[in-house]
Amino acid sequence: EPEVTQTPSHQVTQMGQEVILRCVPISNHLYFYWYRQILGQKVEFLVSFYNNEISEKSEIFDDQFSVERPDGSNFTLKIRSTKLEDSAMYFCASSDSRYQETQYFGPGTRLLVL
Amino acid sequence: KQEVTQIPAALSVPEGENLVLNCSFTDSAIYNLQWFRQDPGKGLTSLLLIQSSQREQTSGRLNASLDKSSGRSTLYIAASQPGDSATYLCAVESGGYQKVTFGTGTKLQVIP
Repeated sequence: EPEVTQTPSHQVTQMGQEVILRCVPISNHLYFYWYRQILGQKVEFLVSFYNNEISEKSEIFDDQFSVERPDGSNFTLKIRSTKLEDSAMYFCASSDSRYQETQYFGPGTRLLVL
Repeated sequence: KQEVTQIPAALSVPEGENLVLNCSFTDSAIYNLQWFRQDPGKGLTSLLLIQSSQREQTSGRLNASLDKSSGRSTLYIAASQPGDSATYLCAVESGGYQKVTFGTGTKLQVIP
C-alpha cells in the first residue's frame, strides 16, 4: 500500500541553524501539507501546497518557514533559523483531492532544537 | 476561528466494552470531519472520513456520526480490544482553503 515517507526520523540541531525536513508524498497525490505537534499539545496545521504554490498557511507559518517541491517526488519544509520553540514532531501529509478526501500522514520527523 | 474539542480527554475500559468518543466543533461550515488514530511516537492513521453531506460512516467495528448543525461527531467503537489502545483525534476541514483543525484527542486504554 502506498505511504507517505519522511526523513530524517529524528533531527537535533542548534538554535539558529537551518533545517530541512523531507517528505515523499504518495505518488499520484497533488495536495501536500505540513503539520506540527509540540509534545503534549494538539496537532497544528502549518501549510498546504498545490501546483507549486502555497494554498493556505497558518499564523505559525511565518517568514522563518518555507516549503518547496524541488522535484517530482520530494516535498520539503525549511526552517531558516531554528528557535527552541520549534522543537516538535513535524508531520507531512498528502491527498489526491482538495476537499472531501482523506489526508494520508507520514510517520513524522522529531525535531529537537538545543 | 474553528475550535475543536474532544471529550473525554482519557478513557480506560475493560476489553469487550462498547464505547463512544465525542468531538465538538464551533463552526458548522465544514467540508469534512476525519477521525484519526495516533499511537505513541507515531504518525496519524486515518480511520474514517465523513463528508459534510453525510451523516455517518462505518468501517469494521468503527462507526462515526456527524451532526453538522449541532457541531458534533461521535466515534463508536464496538467490542473494544487491547489493540485499540491509542489516542483518537478528530479533525475538521473548514474555512476557504485546505485548513484542518485538530481536536485535543482522547487517550483510550483498553484493559485485557
